[in-house]
Amino acid sequence: DAGVIQSPRHEVTEMGQEVTLRCKPISGHNSLFWYRQTMMRGLELLIYFNNNVPIDDSGMPEDRFSAKMPNASFSTLKIQPSEPRDSAVYFCASRVDGGGVAQYFGPGTRLTVL
Amino acid sequence: AQSVTQPDIHITVSEGASLELRCNYSYGATPYLFWYVQSPGQGLQLLLKYFSGDTLVQGIKGFEAEFKRSQSSFNLRKPSVHWSDAAEYFCAVGGNQAGTALIFGKGTTLSVSS
Repeated sequence: DAGVIQSPRHEVTEMGQEVTLRCKPISGHNSLFWYRQTMMRGLELLIYFNNNVPIDDSGMPEDRFSAKMPNASFSTLKIQPSEPRDSAVYFCASRVDGGGVAQYFGPGTRLTVL
Repeated sequence: AQSVTQPDIHITVSEGASLELRCNYSYGATPYLFWYVQSPGQGLQLLLKYFSGDTLVQGIKGFEAEFKRSQSSFNLRKPSVHWSDAAEYFCAVGGNQAGTALIFGKGTTLSVSS
């Protein structure tokens, strides 16, 4: 199994630009999670989907952030416009529904906003 | 409220010494518990998980954890630490409801001294 795939692995952009992060979950998994990790805040859950439907987006910091899951094998996290404080590592994770099933994480996208 | 507490932000252990990382949880339903490890620049990797049954669970890399319901704890242990174990460790709790996210602790950073 290929695991959770994220792209790009690194992104450097300038303030005000639009940034799109991509995630392909593990095949057969029906829940997908987006996290942000920084030194100051640690690991934060931004939003998660179940069967392609957003379940909880209370962790999305501002309206500049949006996420979509158009089908079971693809999700995007978009930041528009980006700001320097958005610099972080963004992780995607997926799992299949069931008691005690673990979430499996992708390698992350390191975003730097100048 | 559902939460996970990792009381130790940073721990330093000598190589070859034993290790115990603490994790306490608060969860309203039957908890499913997990430990993840994150090496520098990497994503989170599942170390082990507890669903039910034997309260002592074995994981990868020689780690084990013990579930103690009376203490609401799920401490991670390793009898002899190797320098390569230096990383950040996250404890997480979840339930069996479909479409729910794991709740993560803030992590414990492990340093290994020679």
